[in-house]
This record gives sequence, structure tokens and C-alpha cells, in this order.
Amino acid sequence: QVQLVQSEAQVKKPGSSVKVSCKTSGGTFSTSSITWVRQAPGQGLEWVGRIIPIVGTPNYAQKFHGRVTITADASTSTAYMDLTSLTSDDTAVYFCTLVNCDGVCFFAYWGQGTLVTVS
Amino acid sequence: DIQMTQSPSSLSASVGDRVTITCRTSQSIDKYLNWYQQKPGKAPQVLISGASRLQSGVPSRFSGSGSGTDFTLTISSLQPEDFATYFCQQSYRPRNITFGPGTKLD
Repeated sequence: QVQLVQSEAQVKKPGSSVKVSCKTSGGTFSTSSITWVRQAPGQGLEWVGRIIPIVGTPNYAQKFHGRVTITADASTSTAYMDLTSLTSDDTAVYFCTLVNCDGVCFFAYWGQGTLVTVS
Repeated sequence: DIQMTQSPSSLSASVGDRVTITCRTSQSIDKYLNWYQQKPGKAPQVLISGASRLQSGVPSRFSGSGSGTDFTLTISSLQPEDFATYFCQQSYRPRNITFGPGTKLD
């Protein structure tokens, strides 16, 4: 059974950085696409970026370029999302997801979400 | 970016109703369209992938159709546990995923 367990909620000051972790189990970490999606309070879903550990090179949404870094540690099956220069607009729940593909790729498994509050 | 719209943005319905939600994309995405259900305080859960493929464990009252730029999610007979927010998502461009703004069903 695939599980994704994320780190706890954090409160950050404007201008600072936050690092969120996502520990996976039950899947094939290295060959999976691990994606980060965020959701501001009362808002919709926004794709942040992804990494396939065996490939190594992450992809980021254009609006986060230069501020986000997604990494993966295959030895612990853990992915990380680092977001810098935080503003109040970054206040959101950040989800990690694991992608499945059956001809079309979709977000099959989700972490519980990590609330990041910038204040 | 592929822009996505959903209609309606909110919908009031009753148990037993047939409900249809529409998702439109700014360019053709073939069948690279997925639907998710999200309940308050929870992570989204996939219902349908590839426009019409029902995911394991999802009740058969859910169905999806469409291709190109126009897609629909239908709930044939609304159940109490179906009151939630529904999002569509395109995976045509896997390096630039976009979601619809959501439809709140209450």
C-alpha cells in the first residue's frame, strides 16, 4: 500500500524559506514521478513542480522558477520541496503526490498536506 | 499554459439527482483529462483518468466523457457522500500541469 507522509505545519516570516518533506512507502520511489501541488485557503489546486528521482532533473511551474527547488533522496524514499523568498501569497497547503500512468498520467496517491503560513 | 474552465462554479443539488459538470480547455488535449474529488480538509482523490476511465474503488455512478477541448463528469444519482468539490486536470503537458478552478457541489 502506497503511503505519503508529509512534515508538519510551519509558520514562516515573509522573506524566509520553507522546506517540506514527503516520505513515501510501498511504491517504487526512484522511477516514480513525485509532484508538488499547492492550494491556497479556499482556492483551487496549483501545480508547483515534479521530480522523477531516477532522472534527477526537476521541472517547475514557470511562476515558481528561481524560488523553488525539488529534490529526492532515494536512500530514504523522501522528496523535498524548498520554497524561498516567501510572501503571504505562498500561504497554502502543500501536497506531494505520486503519479500513476495507465496511458494517461494522473495523481494517484497524495500526502496529507502541509500547511505553510507566511505571516 | 493550457487554460481550463469549469462550469458551473457551484451547484446545488439533492440526493438522487443527476449532476453534470463541464470542463473546457484552451487547446485540444485529446483524452489527457483527469477528474478529482476533494472534501474539506482532505487531499483530492482521483475519480477518472483519461477522460473516461473509472479508477479502482470509485462507484459506478461516476462517469466521464469527452475529448479534445470539452469534457464532462456525470454523477448519475447523487449520494450524500458526493457533496464535495470537483476539479479537472490536464496531463497533456506533463511539465506544465494545470487544473480547472473547481466546482463546489452542495
